[in-house]
Amino acid sequence: DTEVTQTPKHLVMGMTNKKSLKCEQHMGHRAMYWYKQKAKKPPELMFVYSYEKLSINESVPSRFSPECPNSSLLNLHLHALQPEDSALYLCASSQDVMDIYTGELFFGEGSRLTVL
Amino acid sequence: AQSVTQLGSHVSVSEGALVLLRCNYSSSVPPYLFWYVQYPNQGLQLLLKYTSAATLVKGINGFEAEFKKSETSFHLTKPSAHMSDAAEYFCAVSAGNKLTFGGGTRVLVKP
Repeated sequence: DTEVTQTPKHLVMGMTNKKSLKCEQHMGHRAMYWYKQKAKKPPELMFVYSYEKLSINESVPSRFSPECPNSSLLNLHLHALQPEDSALYLCASSQDVMDIYTGELFFGEGSRLTVL
Repeated sequence: AQSVTQLGSHVSVSEGALVLLRCNYSSSVPPYLFWYVQYPNQGLQLLLKYTSAATLVKGINGFEAEFKKSETSFHLTKPSAHMSDAAEYFCAVSAGNKLTFGGGTRVLVKP
């Protein structure tokens, strides 16, 4: 069982909709990440939060808006998405942002997003 | 800059046969290297990692990998494939503040 929980597992939305993806971890980790994974491709880093502050934004379009309400929760707000944004969105956490060096990232099962 | 190349997007092995997945990296600083596995409809799970200690690294589920600096390689092996090893495998490098994944290799295990 994964200790990083993502909801919903599947989401279908229109280009004018506003929706959110949620991620929760209760391991006391202080770094959380959003990755985007297109079909048959590797995950690509989108955002990194360290101690609830945004530390890395990989030039992601503003139609994706991350939010970290507290150390256990990470949201990804979606608005005016395009069909090419359809992908698996993976949340991950680590003890500390420096753990990206050790690769000790714990991933959730992902939210599969389809934009019509 | 850092990058990872996985040779072969698909590998098919018979149950009980050797599994060999190839990974070559490029990094301007001493790298940390990893193998992750992704089962269908699931997130990624760390299999093993190299962080400048022993060059032969043992991981979970009987997998191991050897770091060869002269060849800039970090190939993943398992002596005897099991049906449960069918999954996507990603090699990754961390050098700097990012974890960069290779393109992935999908392993199919034939009975």
